Amino acid sequence: AQTVTQSQPEMSVQEAETVTLSCTYDTSESDYYLFWYKQPPSRQMILVIRQEAYKQQNATENRFSVNFQKAAKSFSLKISDSQLGDAAMYFCAYMASNYQLIWGAGTKLIIKP
Amino acid sequence: NAGVMQNPRHLVRRRGQEARLRCSPMKGHSHVYWYRQLPEEGLKFMVYLQKENIIDESGMPKERFSAEFPKEGPSILRIQQVVRGDSAAYFCASSPLLSRANEQFFGPGTRLTVL
Repeated sequence: AQTVTQSQPEMSVQEAETVTLSCTYDTSESDYYLFWYKQPPSRQMILVIRQEAYKQQNATENRFSVNFQKAAKSFSLKISDSQLGDAAMYFCAYMASNYQLIWGAGTKLIIKP
Repeated sequence: NAGVMQNPRHLVRRRGQEARLRCSPMKGHSHVYWYRQLPEEGLKFMVYLQKENIIDESGMPKERFSAEFPKEGPSILRIQQVVRGDSAAYFCASSPLLSRANEQFFGPGTRLTVL
């Protein structure tokens, strides 16, 4: 069975600095999708970025980028120029072949002004 | 284009009562997923439905829980005879097509509290 692990329960970063959130996963599949979702205090789950496993190029979305290491089964999220509005829970998720999203436990990101 | 709607946003039930959670997917979306989030945890898959069909209910407890997505109207997650352990946030998501590349769009969740 697939599993997703986020080893950092909480991270803090100074506003305007860069922070990296870690995620590792375990799977025997070769073709899959990975996602980072943001959950602000409103609890609305918002997609931040997605990565297709067969694409070697790391996905980027404005200030958000990933470091996808398929062999190591690692999928970290880098947030550049951190802003106060980035404060939230961040969840890493794996899309299994049966269309279920398998979720990590989340990392709470604190932005220090 | 309205997003995924869930109601109620907050639901309080006493032990033994029934809870009904509703989810209206985004317009044009025919796939609905239900997830449960316990405090301080990530989401856990419960069930995946298409119109009038349950595709995968492998994450749903065998007893007391049921889900439907009728031809007309919202998807319903029903919990009978609720217990304190059912207290959680329940999220619904929808997607337009059956593809792993497709984003699942999430509703705001229903927070169920069982007294």
